[in-house]
Amino acid sequence: KQEVTQIPAALSVPEGENLVLNCSFTDSAIYNLQWFRQDPGKGLTSLLLIQSSQREQTSGRLNASLDKSSGRSTLYIAASQPGDSATYLCAANNAGNMLTFGGGTRLMVKP
Amino acid sequence: KAGVTQTPRYLIKTRGQQVTLSCSPISGHRSVSWYQQTPGQGLQFLFEYFSETQRNKGNFPGRFSGRQFSNSRSEMNVSTLELGDSALYLCASSFDRTYNSPLHFGNGTRLTVT
Repeated sequence: KQEVTQIPAALSVPEGENLVLNCSFTDSAIYNLQWFRQDPGKGLTSLLLIQSSQREQTSGRLNASLDKSSGRSTLYIAASQPGDSATYLCAANNAGNMLTFGGGTRLMVKP
Repeated sequence: KAGVTQTPRYLIKTRGQQVTLSCSPISGHRSVSWYQQTPGQGLQFLFEYFSETQRNKGNFPGRFSGRQFSNSRSEMNVSTLELGDSALYLCASSFDRTYNSPLHFGNGTRLTVT
C-alpha cells in the first residue's frame, strides 16, 4: 500500500526566498508523481506532473524533481512571492488515476 | 475552456438521508475520479470512472457509489449518511488514464451532515 509523506507540515518564509518542499513515497512502482496547490476553500490546481521515466519538470519559478530509487520528490520554488501562499500537495499515481496524497505543506510567504 | 464543474457547492443533510453530487469534467476528458477531503484523513481516493466503467475503487463502504454517463459527466451517491461523511468532496478529470495525463480538480462540494 502506497504511503506518501510531506515534510515540513508548515513553512513560513520572507518574500524572495528560494524554498524546497519535500515528498517521500514508499512504493516506487508509480506511473507519475504530481504536485498541486490548494487555496483555502478551493479545489486543487495542478502544478507539475513528473512521469516515472523523468527526473524533473519545470514550470516558471517551479521545479520538481523525482528520484524513484529513493522514493523522493522535491518541489523547488524560486524567488517566493506572497501569492505563493497556499497548501502544496504531492500525490503518487500507482494505477490509472488513483492518486495517494501526502498530508500537504502549508506555505506562508510574508511580504 | 471551462474547468471541472461540481454542483452543488454546499449541502447540509441529516443523518440517515442520502445525497447525490454531480461533476461535469473538462470537455474532452474521459476519466473522472472522486476524492474525499477531511481535516483528519486528508485526501482519500473514492473511485474512478472511464468510459462509463468503474476502473478503481478506494477503501470506502458500499454506501458510497458512483456512475458515469456517456457524456463523461459523473455523479456520486452517499446513502444512509453518517456524521463522519461530512467532508469536501472533490471531483477530478483527466484526458485519459495514461502516465502523462494530469488531473484537473473542481472546487468541490462541501457536505455537512447534522
